[in-house]
Amino acid sequence: DTEVTQTPKHLVMGMTNKKSLKCEQHMGHRAMYWYKQKAKKPPELMFVYSYEKLSINESVPSRFSPECPNSSLLNLHLHALQPEDSALYLCASSYRDRGRNTEAFFGQGTRLTVV
Amino acid sequence: QKEVEQDPGPLSVPEGAIVSLNCTYSNSAFQYFMWYRQYSRKGPELLMYTYSSGNKEDGRFTAQVDKSSKYISLFIRDSQPSDSATYLCAMKAAGNKLTFGGGTRVLVKP
Repeated sequence: DTEVTQTPKHLVMGMTNKKSLKCEQHMGHRAMYWYKQKAKKPPELMFVYSYEKLSINESVPSRFSPECPNSSLLNLHLHALQPEDSALYLCASSYRDRGRNTEAFFGQGTRLTVV
Repeated sequence: QKEVEQDPGPLSVPEGAIVSLNCTYSNSAFQYFMWYRQYSRKGPELLMYTYSSGNKEDGRFTAQVDKSSKYISLFIRDSQPSDSATYLCAMKAAGNKLTFGGGTRVLVKP
């Protein structure tokens, strides 16, 4: 099973709302990622968690707040977003084997629209 | 200059033809190389993963890596209309950060 599950698939939120995106994997992967993808562009890295600790934050605005409650779950909390934050948000995970990173598997994404 | 360069296309081929895709990169620390296929409004699907120079084959897909030239390729044999998608190369060094090319849009015409 190489599945990364993201919920919800679609989300529409107002600029004053608070919402959360969820990601789950049961592959035993210890690195989990959030990416943002705009139309016709490649995914852009937002955050990386390694062994449940935040290891990379690509200077993402504080209105995006990641959380990794355990090794299988990754959340992205959203607050006071702007219309330009509308995008496809992708979660990914990968395994570390003897210090070697393996391939990254992506979920199907949450399509977020901020109105 | 971007770390990973990929021709945006679109690349249009007739059904049954070989699709040839490539990426060049500038960071010699990249060790792990991936190819993803992405359909519109869907997440990227992993097609191939390799971490050594040379060829790797999986069904209709062949990935090539030439670390000395900093060049990777993906070949799709016997292309089908269902192969019409955007293809993304991605690579990473020893850490966790994955760097993508800009993607190549492929159209396979029946």
